[in-house]
Parts: sequence; C-alpha cells; structure tokens
Amino acid sequence: GENVEQHPSTLSVQEGDSAVIKCTYSDSASNYFPWYKQELGKRPQLIIDIRSNVGEKKDQRIAVTLNKTAKHFSLHITETQPEDSAVYFCAASIWTNAGKSTFGDGTTLTVKP
Amino acid sequence: DAGVIQSPRHEVTEMGQEVTLRCKPISGHNSLFWYRQTMMRGLELLIYFNNNVPIDDSGMPEDRFSAKMPNASFSTLKIQPSEPRDSAVYFCASSYNPGAVNGYTFGSGTRLTVV
Repeated sequence: GENVEQHPSTLSVQEGDSAVIKCTYSDSASNYFPWYKQELGKRPQLIIDIRSNVGEKKDQRIAVTLNKTAKHFSLHITETQPEDSAVYFCAASIWTNAGKSTFGDGTTLTVKP
Repeated sequence: DAGVIQSPRHEVTEMGQEVTLRCKPISGHNSLFWYRQTMMRGLELLIYFNNNVPIDDSGMPEDRFSAKMPNASFSTLKIQPSEPRDSAVYFCASSYNPGAVNGYTFGSGTRLTVV
C-alpha cells in the first residue's frame, strides 16, 4: 500500500519568514495530493491540493510543488503569521481507492511573533 | 450546506459500556471515512465506505469496533465493549469522487474518554 513520509515533524519560524514542509510517497499511481491544516482542538481542513498533471499551484501565501519523478511534494508558506501556527498534514490519494487518502504524520508549525 | 455533522461532540463512558458515534456526511458526497486521532498514533483510518458499501475495514483495531452506513446520509461507529485505550478523537470525513479524487471535509470530531 501507499506510504507517505513527512518532514520535519516540528518547525519553528519567525513571523514573516517562509516555511517549507516536505513529503514523499511510495506508490507511483497516486495522483492527488491534498494538504490539511489542523488548529489546536479543531478539525483538519483542506487548504490546498495538487493533481499529478500539475507541477505547481499557488493560493495567496501558500504554494505546493510536485515532483512525480522523485515522488515528492512540498508545501511552501511565505510571509508567515502567528495564525499559521498549526499542525499540517500532507496526503496522497489514488482515485481507484474511492478517494482514500494516506496521511503523513504531520508537522507542527510554530510561528513566533 | 452544514458540513459533516458528528454527534456527540464529547462522550465520557465507563469501561465495558457500548459507545455509538454518529456521522451525517455532506449531501452528494459518495465516500465516507472514519478516522481516529491520538497523540501517539496520529490519524488512523479505521474504515471507509463508497456509495454506502464498506470498502476496507482493515484499520478497525478489533472486533469490538463495528461500523455501518445504512444510507447515504448516515453512518455509525460502534465500540462494544469500550476500553480506556479507545480514548481518542474520532473524526468522520466525506468526499465526492466522481472518477477523480477530491479532498475530504472533516466533521468536528467526537472526543471519547473511557474511564
């Protein structure tokens, strides 16, 4: 089955700096890669996603990149703000599995004011 | 749409009791997932359904756990008998997958404490 590894497990940055979280996946058939943000005590929420036919996608201060050959994808957050502090999960999905996603273990991002 | 609705939000029960968690997915979504989240194990997939049919229950930890989806708008996760190690936050999530994968919408979760 699919295996997703996520690094780093914790990340601390100063407000205004950039943050990068990296994930690798094992199954070359995976074709959909969502990212979720989970604030303390709340539900995970989808913040951005990328499909295998796209190399990069951007939405305001966040962007995702995908390297299918190397089987890795990354989340980039620019101009970080304290409200970006949360746990971020990457995931990989194959549409033939009824949309099932395999999640990474999460990255705890702390943005220091 | 009100999103994915889970009930109860919090449940405290004694060891050995039966616990039933409920989930109403977003209308029109055809896949439903039950996850368990703990600090030690992170997000664990317990079982998922597609078009109300269970697809994979290999994540269900023991026979004490069972799940049903009698129709497109309702699912239950039952633990009988409950044990302290079942204490966790249980999330239900739904998605729409018409031949292309889409992301999940999670419910608010049920925080289960077994004492």
